[in-house]
Amino acid sequence: AQSVTQLDSQVPVFEEAPVELRCNYSSSVSVYLFWYVQYPNQGLQLLLKYLSGSTLVKGINGFEAEFNKSQTSFHLRKPSVHISDTAEYFCAVRRGSGGSNYKLTFGKGTLLTVNP
Amino acid sequence: SAVISQKPSRDICQRGTSLTIQCQVDSQVTMMFWYRQQPGQSLTLIATANQGSEATYESGFVIDKFPISRPNLTFSTLTVSNMSPEDSSIYLCSVDTGRLYGYTFGSGTRLTVV
Repeated sequence: AQSVTQLDSQVPVFEEAPVELRCNYSSSVSVYLFWYVQYPNQGLQLLLKYLSGSTLVKGINGFEAEFNKSQTSFHLRKPSVHISDTAEYFCAVRRGSGGSNYKLTFGKGTLLTVNP
Repeated sequence: SAVISQKPSRDICQRGTSLTIQCQVDSQVTMMFWYRQQPGQSLTLIATANQGSEATYESGFVIDKFPISRPNLTFSTLTVSNMSPEDSSIYLCSVDTGRLYGYTFGSGTRLTVV
């Protein structure tokens, strides 16, 4: 089974500052990793995903994440945040194989609050 | 990716009653997933619904409380039965298109039990 740990429940930052949201995973098999964003009173939107290949993954809205297999991490970064980035961010993992229809396991989420 | 229509978007229900949530996908998918997101919490998988067979429930969730139907490859329902205030949550359905390995989520059903 896979598990995900998001190390920070809340991250407050000022507008235009850089931000890193941390995510560590545990798995005995290879994994696929995802970051989702949930804006207030909305559903989940995929930010980016790592399946294979380059360990640096770029997503929407200027976010990127780096897969580090030795440290079992998949931290999310943005060099300069905006007020509109205020949201809950979820890291998720699933078994990494050629098949589909495997369930996602989510971390507890990190609330990013961008202050003016 | 797939587009999911989930209904109702929100509801306020009396304890002891049941609510059925519908999830319609614009393409055929093998598996549909039902999640619960309790207030201020992460998403927890309730069950996986495969067309033509009984749903597979995660630990802590039972069919009598959360019966699921999956009559075809584009539709599923989740019923929250005999509700109590502890069932107040957001319920979301999700699908895996099988091609992109990303999962699309419905907009969720915000349930309040009073």
